[in-house]
This record gives sequence, structure tokens and C-alpha cells, in this order.
Amino acid sequence: GESVGLHLPTLSVQEGDNSIINCAYSNSASDYFIWYKQESGKGPQFIIDIRSNMDKRQGQRVTVLLNKTVKHLSLQIAATQPGDSAVYFCAENIASGTYKYIFGTGTRLKVLA
Amino acid sequence: DSGVTQTPKHLITATGQRVTLRCSPRSGDLSVYWYQQSLDQGLQFLIHYYNGEERAKGNILERFSAQQFPDLHSELNLSSLELGDSALYFCASSVGRVNSGNTIYFGEGSWLTVV
Repeated sequence: GESVGLHLPTLSVQEGDNSIINCAYSNSASDYFIWYKQESGKGPQFIIDIRSNMDKRQGQRVTVLLNKTVKHLSLQIAATQPGDSAVYFCAENIASGTYKYIFGTGTRLKVLA
Repeated sequence: DSGVTQTPKHLITATGQRVTLRCSPRSGDLSVYWYQQSLDQGLQFLIHYYNGEERAKGNILERFSAQQFPDLHSELNLSSLELGDSALYFCASSVGRVNSGNTIYFGEGSWLTVV
């Protein structure tokens, strides 16, 4: 089904280092992707998005890379800060005519002081 | 603050009962999505409404139903509640033009505990 387990992979990064969070998406027809950050007890918060006609997009301290050949998405966070500690989800917009967003397995980012 | 408002924030109810969760989308957004997040599952897509019409259904149980009203707010009705329905229920909204993907913005969720 579309559910994903919450035995989350965890990435531990030293404060100030760069973080790279990876996501494999499921549908080659997906044409829009979003990265979300979710802090404990809160709703997912939009970070950055990318459309399938691009392979890279940069925001403030964040970069998303899209590799359609292998259906892979990554989120790079520069100079990781303690406030970046959260669970990060990628979401793909399945362009099947009934647009819906499917969320990938989240990754827990822990920033070490 | 995403601009999506959900009520109630917390709800405790008994098995077999029925509850209604409410969502007000961001101003101008026509699409509303409902997601369920429980401890042993990730974010599960339940249902999507666009401008009052149901557009897509995910893993939504028959005991659950939703609707979007003319003022674009949405309600998720959960009936014959079971312990396993305890979860965080998120509403999200987007501008929601049908032919393109749009960023969806999430509310803070409604915590439902079934006892």
C-alpha cells in the first residue's frame, strides 16, 4: 500500500556540517516533488519543491537534487543547525489526473552540538 | 503558521463513538487533503477535495467520510471508532489547479486518542 513504516533511518550530523537526506520515489510519472520538515507534534512544514523538468533547485541553505533516471531525490542542508533537527519527508505528486501526494519514508535528522 | 487551521487540537473519545474534525484551508486555496499519521505508519493519504468535489481517495476506511463545504472548509467524520484509529490527523490545502502539482501546506493536526 501507500503507507510507510516509522522505523525511521536516522542521520546524525555535527553542527555546522552539511547534511544530505535521500529519498527514492515510486512513480516514474510523478512530476512534482516537495521536501517537508516535521518537528515533534507539529505538522509537516514546506521546505523546498522541484518540478520534473529540473534537476536542481536551491533555496536558503537547502538544495534539492532530482535524478529521474533512478527515481531519486535528495535534500542538502548547508551548515546544519540544531534547529534543523526533525523528521524530513519527501512527497511526490502523482500526475495521474487525480493529483495526490504520496509521502516517502521519513528520515530523522539529529544535529549534534 | 501555514494558514491552515484545524480543530480540535486534541480529542479523547471512547471506542464506538463518532467524531468530526474540522479544517479551514488557507485563504484562496481550493483543494483540501486529509492525511493520517500514526506511530506505526507514516503519512497516509486519505482523501482530496477540490472546490467541493472529491478528487482522489487513498486508504480511507468506510467508517470515515469527508466533505468540503461551499465556503471551502472541510470536515472529516470518523465513526465506530476503534483503538487503532488513534492518530494524528492532518489537513492540508493548496491552490489546487487540477492540471498541475501545487505545494500543499499542512495544519498542525488533530490528535485523536480512542480509549
